[in-house]
Amino acid sequence: AQSVAQPEDQVNVAEGNPLTVKCTYSVSGNPYLFWYVQYPNRGLQFLLKYITGDNLVKGSYGFEAEFNKSQTSFHLKKPSALVSDSALYFCAVRDRGNNAGNMLTFGGGTRLMVKT
Amino acid sequence: GAVVSQHPSRVICKSGTSVKIECRSLDFQATTMFWYRQFPKKSLMLMATSNEGSKATYEQGVEKDKFLINHASLTLSTLTVTSAHPEDSSFYICSARPSGRGGDTQYFGPGTRLTVL
Repeated sequence: AQSVAQPEDQVNVAEGNPLTVKCTYSVSGNPYLFWYVQYPNRGLQFLLKYITGDNLVKGSYGFEAEFNKSQTSFHLKKPSALVSDSALYFCAVRDRGNNAGNMLTFGGGTRLMVKT
Repeated sequence: GAVVSQHPSRVICKSGTSVKIECRSLDFQATTMFWYRQFPKKSLMLMATSNEGSKATYEQGVEKDKFLINHASLTLSTLTVTSAHPEDSSFYICSARPSGRGGDTQYFGPGTRLTVL
C-alpha cells in the first residue's frame, strides 16, 4: 500500500521569506511524486513532479521540491513567498510498480498562508 | 496544453433527482480518467477509475449503482449521481491521464460543486 503524510495542516510565512511545505511518503517500490495546488473552489493545478533523474525538481511559479530517498521525503520549497501563493497544497505519490489504474494517493493537504 | 474541463461548474438539484457531470480532456486523449470527491477542508477521495471502452473500477465503499460512470470516448467521461440526497452534496473533481508517453501525470478539472436540497 502507498501513503502520503503532510504533517502540517497550515504553514504561515511572511511575504518574501522562504517557504517549505513538508511531505513524506511510503511505497513498496520506487515512487512517482507530485505536488498540486488548489485555489478556493477550484480543481487541482499541477506544480511539479519527480519521476527520475535529478533529485531537485523545478516546477511552476518558482516552486521546487527535493526528492530524498533515504528520508522518503519530497518537500516543496520556494525561496521567496508571495501573497498569491496562499492556497492549499497537496502532495501525491504513485508506486511505479503499481499498475492498478495508476492510482494517485494524496496527502491530507497543507494550507499555506503568506502574509505581508 | 493538458487542459481538463468539467461541466457544470456548479449545480443545485432537488433530492431524488439525478445529476450528470461531464469531464473532458480538451487537448489530449485520455484512456484513463479518475473521479474524486472532496469534502470541505479535506483531501481528495478517489471514487472510481474510468477506463475508455470498459467498466469503471470503483473504490471500496463507493456505490456503483449510485455513481454511474461512462467513458464513451478518449476525451469524455461522465459521472451521474442517481437519486441524489443531501449527503451527496460535495465538490466532485475529475482528472485525466494522457494516453501513451507522458502519461505519468494526472491533470485535474476545475471541479463541480453539487448541492442537493
